[in-house]
Amino acid sequence: GAGVSQTPSNKVTEKGKYVELRCDPISGHTALYWYRQSLGQGPEFLIYFQGTGAADDSGLPNDRFFAVRPEGSVSTLKIQRTERGDSAVYLCASSLPGTVDNEQFFGPGTRLTVL
Amino acid sequence: AQSVSQHNHHVILSEAASLELGCNYSYGGTVNLFWYVQYPGQHLQLLLKYFSGDPLVKGIKGFEAEFIKSKFSFNLRKPSVQWSDTAEYFCAVRGAGSYQLTFGKGTKLSVIP
Repeated sequence: GAGVSQTPSNKVTEKGKYVELRCDPISGHTALYWYRQSLGQGPEFLIYFQGTGAADDSGLPNDRFFAVRPEGSVSTLKIQRTERGDSAVYLCASSLPGTVDNEQFFGPGTRLTVL
Repeated sequence: AQSVSQHNHHVILSEAASLELGCNYSYGGTVNLFWYVQYPGQHLQLLLKYFSGDPLVKGIKGFEAEFIKSKFSFNLRKPSVQWSDTAEYFCAVRGAGSYQLTFGKGTKLSVIP
């Protein structure tokens, strides 16, 4: 079956602009996660959704970052007033509902470059 | 706060050599442990995981890892690597009952034919 998909695959923007990154999880996966991977680093947790609600947003770096999942499926990560330090690969993952023991399946990521 | 340390940034091996990648974690409680692999041009995939029970876990493609609680370690091993194992390997930890994965910085493995 189809895996997690993310669009766009690459996004180049200018400092100060607003960007939206989209994640389409595996069908039936009610849990959805966003991570950020900076150059030379491992992925860092940003936010976790269970259904439509953000169950844990403790990883969001500041209030310029916001994510939504209005219908419990597709999620959008929104970044306002982008800064050069926001340049990274943004990864989305999804998992089955239920216990925390479920495997997280990752998408290919969106590479964001802020000029 | 939990953290993961991967000792090697880049490992270069010849085919058929044995592999061991180090991973140590810091966390004050029960943990779940994972190794993920990212092949060139592909997304992160789960290689193996440890939740409880036998501390020696076997994953895909002949990889295994051993959880040593006293050393806070979860090293990845493979007795004989192949060129197709060239990839970046990430160790990750999650507190039991948590959803957040905390990753190490990754180890790039290059296997020379």
